[in-house]
Amino acid sequence: NAGVTQTPKFQVLKTGQSMTLQCAQDMNHNSMYWYRQDPGMGLRLIYYSASEGTTDKGEVPNGYNVSRLNKREFSLRLESAAPSQTSVYFCASSIHRESNEKLFFGSGTQLSVL
Amino acid sequence: RKEVEQDPGPFNVPEGATVAFNCTYSNSASQSFFWYRQDCRKEPKLLMSVYSSGNEDGRFTAQLNRASQYISLLIRDSKLSDSATYLCVGESGGSYIPTFGRGTSLIVHP
Repeated sequence: NAGVTQTPKFQVLKTGQSMTLQCAQDMNHNSMYWYRQDPGMGLRLIYYSASEGTTDKGEVPNGYNVSRLNKREFSLRLESAAPSQTSVYFCASSIHRESNEKLFFGSGTQLSVL
Repeated sequence: RKEVEQDPGPFNVPEGATVAFNCTYSNSASQSFFWYRQDCRKEPKLLMSVYSSGNEDGRFTAQLNRASQYISLLIRDSKLSDSATYLCVGESGGSYIPTFGRGTSLIVHP
């Protein structure tokens, strides 16, 4: 059982380049999330999707876009990468959003923007 | 001010010690709380849920104090393998969005 699969694991970009982080879950979860983690800052929510077809901004959405392609997949796009977006990115999913359910995480993407 | 606050530590304790972390939350309507463990920037993994009546799992005990709006994690008989960052999770502003504290670093030494 794969759980939450996140790709790539590592990426180096130049300022201004674009890229998409992919996330897929096979647990039939309704809700999916993208977090970023910076030293001393904990995990901060970028965007979330409560259910297929819906997306909402989190705490730090600027510079990112998301797509909930179907129930399984939730991608995060950086249109024009900036050094401030250097971070570790985690995708997560949970059964539903009507209560604060436990999260299942992907293994993370280490992104460096030069 | 973050909705979920933790002392970042580090807490540096010898093997066998008992250590406790607190986490305060600002959203009084929050219903669900969790403790996650994170090793060396790997993905966080659920350690335990926090129930109103308190709950225990082996050496770990979690408690919720609604009056003072904090949750706690107690680790007894610390092991070297307990060295990690412990993240508490509450809810954001009545929307059930999982909101993380900054994490508390624990270092257990021989």
